[in-house]
Amino acid sequence: KQEVTQIPAALSVPEGENLVLNCSFTDSAIYNLQWFRQDPGKGLTSLLLIQSSQREQTSGRLNASLDKSSGRSTLYIAASQPGDSATYLCAVMGANNLFFGTGTRLTVIP
Amino acid sequence: EAQVTQNPRYLITVTGKKLTVTCSQNMNHEYMSWYRQDPGLGLRQIYYSMNVEVTDKGDVPEGYKVSRKEKRNFPLILESPSPNQTSLYFCASSRSWTYSTDTQYFGPGTRLTVL
Repeated sequence: KQEVTQIPAALSVPEGENLVLNCSFTDSAIYNLQWFRQDPGKGLTSLLLIQSSQREQTSGRLNASLDKSSGRSTLYIAASQPGDSATYLCAVMGANNLFFGTGTRLTVIP
Repeated sequence: EAQVTQNPRYLITVTGKKLTVTCSQNMNHEYMSWYRQDPGLGLRQIYYSMNVEVTDKGDVPEGYKVSRKEKRNFPLILESPSPNQTSLYFCASSRSWTYSTDTQYFGPGTRLTVL
């Protein structure tokens, strides 16, 4: 069964710093990998989707990479802002299910 | 506005009292699913539906039922809720499960407490 791990579980950084969130998965037979953002008391918002044939995707200050052979993905956030404070979840798409990591709780300190 | 809606958003109930959490999407999506989120365990899939009248079990289906009579609606039914079903529940939908480009859209969540 697919297992998804996110490290670290929590991260605090000062405003303006660049940061990297990590995601690893055990089964490389995936259709895609998605990064989501979850704000307290709210649902999940999709940030980036990387198809299994792709290496990276970019949206604004966010860049996600995928190395399927090693079972790893990273989410790079440039010039972090207090509004980036949230929990970030990665999920891998299998045959009929999304397998989620437990998330990284990010706090950006003004 | 494209969205997934869930009702109720908050619910406190007692053991054994049947309840239904509704989920509706307005994007004509074929694929819908239910997840529960628990601290330290992340999101786990309960049931999913590839299309109308097609449903299947996810990773944690025990104690839950679903139905998909219409494309837009996918209610989650707890016939006899127990305290271990206290959790945060999310409904999600996507255009289909066929295309690896289809992102998932999530509802706002339903926080359920079973006493």
